[in-house]
Amino acid sequence: GENVEQHPSTLSVQEGDSAVIKCTYSDSASNYFPWYKQELGKGPQLIIDIRSNVGEKKDQRIAVTLNKTAKHFSLHITETQPEDSAVYFCAASFSGYGQNFVFGPGTRLSVLP
Amino acid sequence: NAGVTQTPKFQVLKTGQSMTLQCAQDMNHNSMYWYRQDPGMGLRLIYYSASEGTTDKGEVPNGYNVSRLNKREFSLRLESAAPSQTSVYFCASLGGSEKLFFGSGTQLSVL
Repeated sequence: GENVEQHPSTLSVQEGDSAVIKCTYSDSASNYFPWYKQELGKGPQLIIDIRSNVGEKKDQRIAVTLNKTAKHFSLHITETQPEDSAVYFCAASFSGYGQNFVFGPGTRLSVLP
Repeated sequence: NAGVTQTPKFQVLKTGQSMTLQCAQDMNHNSMYWYRQDPGMGLRLIYYSASEGTTDKGEVPNGYNVSRLNKREFSLRLESAAPSQTSVYFCASLGGSEKLFFGSGTQLSVL
């Protein structure tokens, strides 16, 4: 089955710097890769996603890149702000089968003022 | 529009007690899911319901049962709680474009 690894487990950056979180997956059949943000005491919320027919996707200060050959994808946050502090989860799945979502272990991002 | 609502938010049980976690969504989604979240392990699927009237096991189903009461509601039951079931539980439903909508979670401690 699918296995998703995520690094680093914790990340501290200064406000205004960039943050990068990397994930690798094992199943070449996976074709959908979402990123979720979980704030303290809340459930995860989708912030950006990418499908296997696209190499990069941007939404304001966040972007995701996908390298299908190497089976890894990354989340990039630029100009970090204190409200970006949260736990971020990557996931991989085969499109159309919600039960196939496999999540990474999470990265705790702290943005220091 | 409340999204996904879970109750209770916190619960403490003694070993061997039973309880039911409730989940309801008001987005008319077909598929619903129960996950558990443990430190360093991400979200693991316990059970899911692809549509009203169907349920299936996920990655970690042992010790749990579920009921898809109707299209809105999907409950998770612990028949005889064990300390290994101490965790944070999330209910989710699947919307368009494969977007998962999560509830705010139930923090369960089994002593």
